[in-house]
Amino acid sequence: QVQLVQSGAEVKKPGASVKVSCKASGYTFIGNTIHWVRQAPGQRLEWMGWINAGNGNTRYSQKFQGRVTITRDTSATSAYMELSSLTSEDTAVYYCARDPRQYDSGYFDYWGQGTLVTVSS
Amino acid sequence: DIVMTQSPDSLAVSLGERATINCKSSQSVLYSSNNKNYLAWYQQKPGQPPKLLISWASARESGVPDRFSGSGSGTDFTLTISSLQAEDVAVYYCQEYYRTPYTFGQGTKLEIK
Repeated sequence: QVQLVQSGAEVKKPGASVKVSCKASGYTFIGNTIHWVRQAPGQRLEWMGWINAGNGNTRYSQKFQGRVTITRDTSATSAYMELSSLTSEDTAVYYCARDPRQYDSGYFDYWGQGTLVTVSS
Repeated sequence: DIVMTQSPDSLAVSLGERATINCKSSQSVLYSSNNKNYLAWYQQKPGQPPKLLISWASARESGVPDRFSGSGSGTDFTLTISSLQAEDVAVYYCQEYYRTPYTFGQGTKLEIK
């Protein structure tokens, strides 16, 4: 069965960076795009970007351009999201989510369990 | 960016009754070349990630009970639960995937009356 297992909760200071991992299993990793979506307290879900796990191509939301980097390691069947220059407004649960297709279709058929990132001085 | 607006923000329905959630997009998400609406619905229960219910506005995912249905086209969409069950208590989100950045509605909290 398809599973996306994310790394554990993080507490970071303002200005720091965080890197969240997402290990995929139960399907051919390079056959799908992986997206990252976050959910801040009381806010709607927010799409951050995607990576084509096959060819490594990425696309980011303009809101996070320059601060977010999404990578993947095919040998580890894992995707990673790094967010830099953190502020308190980045406090959120971060999700990885699988696209049903190799090339971005834009919706998400399986989700990781979420990783809480807390930014606090 | 496309703005997705759901109504109502919260909804209380009796068990066995119909629940209807609306979603409106600030511009059409119907792609004319393939006549598909780029609209999905998700269910999120407390402490869990969202779960995909419906894609392409009306295509129910495998394993989703048939009491869930999606309809609409262009800018106006509806998620209907035909006979509310206790396990349907959750927050429901619509999402457009017509263009990036993909955007979500603010969510509709569904409770039992």
